[in-house]
Amino acid sequence: KAGVTQTPRYLIKTRGQQVTLSCSPISGHRSVSWYQQTPGQGLQFLFEYFSETQRNKGNFPGRFSGRQFSNSRSEMNVSTLELGDSALYLCASSLGVMGQGSSPLHFGNGTRLTVT
Amino acid sequence: AQSVTQLDSQVPVFEEAPVELRCNYSSSVSVYLFWYVQYPNQGLQLLLKYLSGSTLVESINGFEAEFNKSQTSFHLRKPSVHISDTAEYFCAVTVYGGATNKLIFGTGTLLAVQP
Repeated sequence: KAGVTQTPRYLIKTRGQQVTLSCSPISGHRSVSWYQQTPGQGLQFLFEYFSETQRNKGNFPGRFSGRQFSNSRSEMNVSTLELGDSALYLCASSLGVMGQGSSPLHFGNGTRLTVT
Repeated sequence: AQSVTQLDSQVPVFEEAPVELRCNYSSSVSVYLFWYVQYPNQGLQLLLKYLSGSTLVESINGFEAEFNKSQTSFHLRKPSVHISDTAEYFCAVTVYGGATNKLIFGTGTLLAVQP
């Protein structure tokens, strides 16, 4: 079974631009969640989508948004990029929605975003 | 507010020595507890989890963790480490039962196994 696939693997953008990251979950997984990983802040939860609906949300500004399609693939969008948005963005999929602890997360290898 | 604290940012240890990576959490609502491992340039992999039942949980590669509710801890241990265990280890807590569910990660502990 293929794992979680994130594209692109690396991305370089300029301040003020916007970016879209893509995540394809493991087949059969309906939950996709997104995380930002930086050396200073560590891993921070952005949001979770389940059956095309945002089910849970972290404490990020509205510039960070996402969506999920009917095939469970998800995209994350960041508008008006800031230097501080440079990070590794990780996507994870699971069978059930967060809070259903019996559904562990399966992570992709991430998209490394650099904002200059 | 809920939080996860990993007290050691880096733990150097010699091969075949025992190791303990510490994790404490604070939450007033129900939690599930996890340890994830991240190898260089990769995503995270689930190492083990505590949902309910026996407070001692084990992984397939020799790690174990014990949930201690009174001390709000979930320390990770291995009696004898290998070079291949070198990685960053993250403790995580799923907080559920409130208005919204969240997965909160600790800041990570880099386990550096030396020959």
